Amino acid sequence: ELKVEQNPLFLSMQEGKNYTIYCNYSTTSDRLYWYRQDPGKSLESLFVLLSNGAVKQEGRLMASLDTKARLSTLHITAAVHDLSATYFCAVLSNSGYALNFGKGTSLLVTP
Amino acid sequence: NAGVTQTPKFRVLKTGQSMTLLCAQDMNHEYMYWYRQDPGMGLRLIHYSVGEGTTAKGEVPDGYNVSRLKKQNFLLGLESAAPSQTSVYFCASSYRVGQGFNIYEQYFGPGTRLTVT
Repeated sequence: ELKVEQNPLFLSMQEGKNYTIYCNYSTTSDRLYWYRQDPGKSLESLFVLLSNGAVKQEGRLMASLDTKARLSTLHITAAVHDLSATYFCAVLSNSGYALNFGKGTSLLVTP
Repeated sequence: NAGVTQTPKFRVLKTGQSMTLLCAQDMNHEYMYWYRQDPGMGLRLIHYSVGEGTTAKGEVPDGYNVSRLKKQNFLLGLESAAPSQTSVYFCASSYRVGQGFNIYEQYFGPGTRLTVT
């Protein structure tokens, strides 16, 4: 059974600070996804990481994938309030057409 | 393009009642999914479909049925609603990349908030 674990599950950080969210998964997969969800809203795709060593950046967010360690990170640089949301990582299942999601990291950025 | 749409947005049911949630996508995607989201649980896959006329069980299929009679539509049915089915339901669609079954990414609908009393 493919398990996807995120930590931390809750994160409160000050504006301007840096932090990293971790996503570990239990079986081999070469594809990982990061989504953002605002309260009461749907999921918005942030990054699709397709291979070992992949790194993608969008604004203050940078995601990376290490398939050997079965680990992806989402790094936040100089956080701003607009980044407050819940962030999910998801791993492509062995079947190749379904995603297994982590439980999400609820991020709150405070002044 | 509207993307992925869901009907209804909100619904309240009494225990034992039935209902159908409709998902529609206009992106010509082959794959469609139904998830439920509960606090602290992430998203859990209920059923999915890899093509018109085909469906398969996901992680939490009990109490739900699905049908995909047309490529653009994926219906989720609750025959006899239970309070444990109170949740937010998301539909998603995806397309295939290359010759294999690997998908690229999933596009999500706005969600349906269902309360069963």
